[in-house]
Amino acid sequence: QVQLVQSGAEVGEPGASVTVSCKASGFPFTGYYIHWVRQAPGQGLEWMGWINPNTGGKNFAQRFHGKVTVTRDTSISTAYLELHRLTFDDTAFYYCARRRSYGGADPFDFWGPGTLVTVSS
Amino acid sequence: QSALTQPPSASGTPGQRVTISCSGSRYNIGNNYVDWYQQFPGTAPKLLIYNNDRRPSGVPDRFSASKSGTSASLVISGLQSEDEADYYCSAWDDSLNGQEVFGGGTKLTVL
Repeated sequence: QVQLVQSGAEVGEPGASVTVSCKASGFPFTGYYIHWVRQAPGQGLEWMGWINPNTGGKNFAQRFHGKVTVTRDTSISTAYLELHRLTFDDTAFYYCARRRSYGGADPFDFWGPGTLVTVSS
Repeated sequence: QSALTQPPSASGTPGQRVTISCSGSRYNIGNNYVDWYQQFPGTAPKLLIYNNDRRPSGVPDRFSASKSGTSASLVISGLQSEDEADYYCSAWDDSLNGQEVFGGGTKLTVL
């Protein structure tokens, strides 16, 4: 069955970096885009961007440029989200979600369980 | 401030019909499909409605949705206690080099 398994909770200090992973199974990893969505505690959903595991192409919302790095390892069907220069505002659940395209024509039809990133000094 | 506007809360009694609205612009809802997601506390969102009005397999038919112009609506008919959750609309936005935008979410309470 379709699965997106995310790495466990992370705690980082302000200014540090953390990496969240998202391992796909049950479907062709290179046949879907992987999108990242974050949700601060008690808040709504915020789209961050996507990576195309097939080509490595990526695009992120302007506000995250320079803030995140996304990569993928097709040999283990895993996408990675690295958050840089952490601030307290980065404390949130980070979800990966699959989508047939980069956007518009189809939905996020399956989501990972989320990874809580807590920024604390 | 979210690009799509939803009421922060909605409520109804079991069996009632509840409507949740979602308002956007010509760059998002007006030009692209609307999707709806359901989220229970402590869990990931789940796709509820896609491409304006289509239900994924397994979603009860008491959930329906529609789109008109730059607005969309989610309707839950025959409300059940297990429908108590947060609901989010989303759409692709063609401005700013393209991005997905979400509504702020509506917390549905079953009284």
